[in-house]
Amino acid sequence: AQRVTQPEKLLSVFKGAPVELKCNYSYSGSPELFWYVQYSRQRLQLLLRHISRESIKGFTADLNKGETSFHLKKPFAQEEDSAMYYCALTRNNAGNMLTFGGGTRLMVKP
Amino acid sequence: DTEVTQTPKHLVMGMTNKKSLKCEQHMGHRAMYWYKQKAKKPPELMFVYSYEKLSINESVPSRFSPECPNSSLLNLHLHALQPEDSALYLCASSHGTSSGYTFGSGTRLTVV
Repeated sequence: AQRVTQPEKLLSVFKGAPVELKCNYSYSGSPELFWYVQYSRQRLQLLLRHISRESIKGFTADLNKGETSFHLKKPFAQEEDSAMYYCALTRNNAGNMLTFGGGTRLMVKP
Repeated sequence: DTEVTQTPKHLVMGMTNKKSLKCEQHMGHRAMYWYKQKAKKPPELMFVYSYEKLSINESVPSRFSPECPNSSLLNLHLHALQPEDSALYLCASSHGTSSGYTFGSGTRLTVV
């Protein structure tokens, strides 16, 4: 079975500092990895997909199959980045079954 | 229209009540989902509908009964729930696996 692990429940950084939210996964096949974000009182929304290799709001994430990781990074954190971040995985042959990690709350202090 | 709309936003029901949660999307997505989210926990998959047919049921108790009347609508019928079923129920839809999901804002359910 697939599993997604986010080792940090809470990450607190100062504005302007670099941010890295860790995500590790276990799955023997070829997964598709995502980052979702939930700002306060807003709905869960897609932030990044590994397949598109894009940068959204300054965030990037690279899939490292050797380390089975998909860490989310941003060089300079902003206060508006404070939110709950979920790493998620779907098997490409699983009938669209998305599995979430436990989530990391990012707090960016002024 | 790029949203998933869920109604009602809040629902309080007794353990003997029957109620339904509704979800609607007009993005042409052919996969729709129900997730349950408890406080400070990640969403947990309940059901997956693909092309209006139930494709995944994650061993959800029968007091939760999903229904997909057409490609734009998804319902979750509730009957004889328990207080521990109180949670945020999220609906989502997707075009395919690679495109990611679009989530609704959820229905916050309280069972008393």
